Amino acid sequence: AQSVTQLDSHVSVSEGTPVLLRCNYSSSYSPSLFWYVQHPNKGLQLLLKYTSAATLVKGINGFEAEFKKSETSFHLTKPSAHMSDAAEYFCVLSQGNLIFGKGTKLSVKP
Amino acid sequence: GAGVSQSPSNKVTEKGKDVELRCDPISGHTALYWYRQSLGQGLEFLIYFQGNSAPDKSGLPSDRFSAERTGGSVSTLTIQRTQQEDSAVYLCASSLRLAPSSYEQYFGPGTRLTVT
Repeated sequence: AQSVTQLDSHVSVSEGTPVLLRCNYSSSYSPSLFWYVQHPNKGLQLLLKYTSAATLVKGINGFEAEFKKSETSFHLTKPSAHMSDAAEYFCVLSQGNLIFGKGTKLSVKP
Repeated sequence: GAGVSQSPSNKVTEKGKDVELRCDPISGHTALYWYRQSLGQGLEFLIYFQGNSAPDKSGLPSDRFSAERTGGSVSTLTIQRTQQEDSAVYLCASSLRLAPSSYEQYFGPGTRLTVT
């Protein structure tokens, strides 16, 4: 069965420090993986996607993720957090319809 | 251009009543999806439509839930005899087509349903 596990329900960082949001997946096929972000009272927005091309994927707002098949991981990173990054982040596996992780709430302290 | 729109944005209904939620996908997108976001269950797939093919209803939680898509565009999600556990945000998304699975899905703002 295909599944996505986000290892942290809540991550708190200080502004200007690195961000790491962890995601592991399980898939019988070569996966398509996404990260979506949801700001409070806003819709889901695509940050980046992996579709079997480059394993290091760059997205919007300075985020990037690395696909590691050996570790079945697709962790999201950003070198320097900004206050506006505070939101909920979802790691997503696509099999036509999307399979969502439980989400990681990112808090950014000034 | 216009994104995915959903209406109403908020709906409060009494237990046992029927509700209809509407989704207008991005023009030209042949695939349309419904998801539900609730505190206890996170984000769950409900149903998708691809062109004129039969919809994949595998995510619908009970036979009280149904959806249709008229003319390959607008979709309506209907919940009959609503229960309190149906309270959630219902999200609609569309994409150019269903396959390959790498096509990005664009999400609407959602309809917040509260069953009292």
